[in-house]
Amino acid sequence: EIVLTQSPGTLSLSPGERATLSCRASQSVSSSYLAWYQQKPGQAPRLLIYGASSRAAGIPDRFSGSGSGTDFTLTISRLEPEDFAVYYCQHYGDSRTFGQGTKVEIK
Amino acid sequence: EVQLLESGGDLVQPGGSLRLSCAASGFTFNSYAMSWVRQAPGRGLDWVSSITDDGGDTWHADSVKGHFTISRDNSKNTLYLQMGSLTAADTAIYYCVKGNTRSRPYYFDSWGQGALVTVSS
Repeated sequence: EIVLTQSPGTLSLSPGERATLSCRASQSVSSSYLAWYQQKPGQAPRLLIYGASSRAAGIPDRFSGSGSGTDFTLTISRLEPEDFAVYYCQHYGDSRTFGQGTKVEIK
Repeated sequence: EVQLLESGGDLVQPGGSLRLSCAASGFTFNSYAMSWVRQAPGRGLDWVSSITDDGGDTWHADSVKGHFTISRDNSKNTLYLQMGSLTAADTAIYYCVKGNTRSRPYYFDSWGQGALVTVSS
């Protein structure tokens, strides 16, 4: 079973700063099957990125995904107030595993 | 616009059973795989079960295998999760989730607002 480990657990940043979130897989995964989701308090998750680097419909271009093999990154180029949330990576191959999440909080 | 509306969440005693439903609209239901994902209070996301567009294949997480069953009725545009032998570990918000294609592998492109299941005596 593939295990996804996200780091850091919490990221404290100010609006306008750049956020870099990491997702590391326990074994090499196809980048075609790596997604990122955003969840705000009291809301359902929302798809941000699929195929490691493709933005979902309606997602602003300040969100970008990259990576391959075992190391993947979600970057938010300039944090907006509405971006403070929890972010999850997911491998949607056979295991459909989620990472444990990274909380991006206001510093 | 895709809409997924879960129902059936409730307080149930340990060992009890419950069936969740998810009414889908805004897309051609019988053309997409569907899943259930749960989230225990204060915890992360946990995939539960998935089903292909025609219901011909299903998959369940090891943690629920043998006591949860996913199914669908394409004539009613509805997804189900039959849950049995419930324990406190099953307490969670259960999200109905739409896949981006007919069968796996697929990512989750639309989520319902969730149904709360609480297992407690």
